[in-house]
Amino acid sequence: GAVVSQHPSRVICKSGTSVKIECRSLDFQATTMFWYRQFPKQSLMLMATSNEGSKATYEQGVEKDKFLINHASLTLSTLTVTSAHPEDSSFYICSARKGARAEAFFGQGTRLTVV
Amino acid sequence: GQQVMQIPQYQHVQEGEDFTTYCNSSTTLSNIQWYKQRPGGHPVFLIQLVKSGEVKKQKRLTFQFGEAKKNSSLHITATQTTDVGTYFCAGQEAAGNKLTFGGGTRVLVKP
Repeated sequence: GAVVSQHPSRVICKSGTSVKIECRSLDFQATTMFWYRQFPKQSLMLMATSNEGSKATYEQGVEKDKFLINHASLTLSTLTVTSAHPEDSSFYICSARKGARAEAFFGQGTRLTVV
Repeated sequence: GQQVMQIPQYQHVQEGEDFTTYCNSSTTLSNIQWYKQRPGGHPVFLIQLVKSGEVKKQKRLTFQFGEAKKNSSLHITATQTTDVGTYFCAGQEAAGNKLTFGGGTRVLVKP
């Protein structure tokens, strides 16, 4: 099946710094990628839809200036958590789909800890 | 906005027993998908249902899509320890390309 690679898998950063997370579709082109946040033992909360070559679409309540998304190519989307604070600590996971009605392939996720 | 609810939130099952998890959407769906997330892992696609009343089987797993295309169920027979994990349903409406995930059913198996 298709593979989506996410990097890094774990990151610890100091409060106030920024962290970039990469999401790559390895064997297909993805015009759209999705970024989720997952709290322990909870569901996946959609943060934003990343659109290749255009601005991301953010879900209600998600600060676009804090969670910067760039989708510069058909195989790479990045999520930058700016000026991170401890409350930003979470599991961030991306997904990509081959078509608008297709199954979602998820990256391995990134566990962010802000200290 | 669209909401997808799943029950139960937790399912403790004796190995060898059957159980069912239910998924309900506040809106009519174009399709519904099911995913399994093992502890510490990422969601992995299990199946997609598209047609009203559709039933699909994968070995011991049976998936059903309701006639109104607003609800779905996953039934697992003869539960094994390998079934441990969280099962999520995800619904997609006709308009747009978003998948809205349910809260998940966390399955624990007692040997």
